[in-house]
Amino acid sequence: GIQVEQSPPDLILQEGANSTLRCNFSDSVNNLQWFHQNPWGQLINLFYIPSGTKQNGRLSATTVATERYSLLYISSSQTTDSGVYFCAVPRGGTYKYIFGTGTRLKVLA
Amino acid sequence: DAGVTQSPTHLIKTRGQQVTLRCSPKSGHDTVSWYQQALGQGPQFIFQYYEEEERQRGNFPDRFSGHQFPNYSSELNVNALLLGDSALYLCASSLQGQGGPYEQYFGPGTRLTVT
Repeated sequence: GIQVEQSPPDLILQEGANSTLRCNFSDSVNNLQWFHQNPWGQLINLFYIPSGTKQNGRLSATTVATERYSLLYISSSQTTDSGVYFCAVPRGGTYKYIFGTGTRLKVLA
Repeated sequence: DAGVTQSPTHLIKTRGQQVTLRCSPKSGHDTVSWYQQALGQGPQFIFQYYEEEERQRGNFPDRFSGHQFPNYSSELNVNALLLGDSALYLCASSLQGQGGPYEQYFGPGTRLTVT
């Protein structure tokens, strides 16, 4: 089945710093989602981005489906950005979403 | 616009017991998926319900079963609970259409502890 790997696994930043999170997937996909899981466990939708680039405030994402990766950019990070970031893709030809290994981000004040 | 809701928030059960978790999808959505998230892991797909039928299933035993009602809400049932079933159970809803699967929205989860 499809493998989804994220890097880095852990990231510590000072408030105000920028970062790039990466999601690699082993097979072609027809959509991809990025989520932020807050300390209470809530998964918050960041982007639904099968291909191309999208921006939402300080966050932006790019998916290059032909090369099987997606990037999430966080600019001017804030302490509220702390948590775990997941990418998720549907297993080919199915409705089953596979989540990546996650990136645990901690932003220090 | 109501988001995805789940109940209860927390639950403590004993090994061997049975549990039922509930989920109401986001307004306008017709598809519900359930996920199990163990501590420190990513969510694992259990199954998906559409048109009141299980459409897709992950690698979970038959002890895990579900149901979808005509109003699109859903239940997850787990029988003969094991200690390893302790986890955060997440419900996600989406709108089915041609060319899916579409964007999923998650509820706050039910934290199940089995003692």
